[in-house]
Amino acid sequence: GESVGLHLPTLSVQEGDNSIINCAYSNSASDYFIWYKQESGKGPQFIIDIRSNMDKRQGQRVTVLLNKTVKHLSLQIAATQPGDSAVYFCAENTINNNDMRFGAGTRLTVKP
Amino acid sequence: DGGITQSPKYLFRKEGQNVTLSCEQNLNHDAMYWYRQDPGQGLRLIYYSQIVNDFQKGDIAEGYSVSREKKESFPLTVTSAQKNPTAFYLCATGTGSNYEQYFGPGTRLTVT
Repeated sequence: GESVGLHLPTLSVQEGDNSIINCAYSNSASDYFIWYKQESGKGPQFIIDIRSNMDKRQGQRVTVLLNKTVKHLSLQIAATQPGDSAVYFCAENTINNNDMRFGAGTRLTVKP
Repeated sequence: DGGITQSPKYLFRKEGQNVTLSCEQNLNHDAMYWYRQDPGQGLRLIYYSQIVNDFQKGDIAEGYSVSREKKESFPLTVTSAQKNPTAFYLCATGTGSNYEQYFGPGTRLTVT
């Protein structure tokens, strides 16, 4: 398959371990954040989102943490599986502004 | 992907030729977007349309053109004026009522 993001930060974890992927966002006015997963040669898939009035949101095996003080977002994946191997990137947006901004991403590799 | 079709998956063109990338959706979403993805970089917005017969330039519109004659379709033409057209092109849709964007599978364009 094709490679997207040849020079991305990488994270390598053992199957079953927890993964933490970080993202620093740029706009202090951003009030909506999304994490996407992108497998090689495919379009990004929505994982989880969070609004700025929350600090934490949990999904199935994933948790997003938002620290507005330092403009930092993290994605935690519990019990990481080989199928979680992909590029993960965050996106930020503001209310009434059609201007979603995307980070470059982190490549997660899960070793069996 | 589901509901957003981009074709073809791989496209090859000679330098100096215009080429049109297809994006079709059956999600009944008002907003549609075109992004360009290059290795090591986040998605960059080329054009977007919030309603039929209306579209706006994104950050890197030079050398590209679009049309939005139907709600379901938002084709992107990469013209010969685009200096570095080889990239992975992603089409996305949005409802407008939230900020999540739904992505198609992408088209990999190679110009030689």
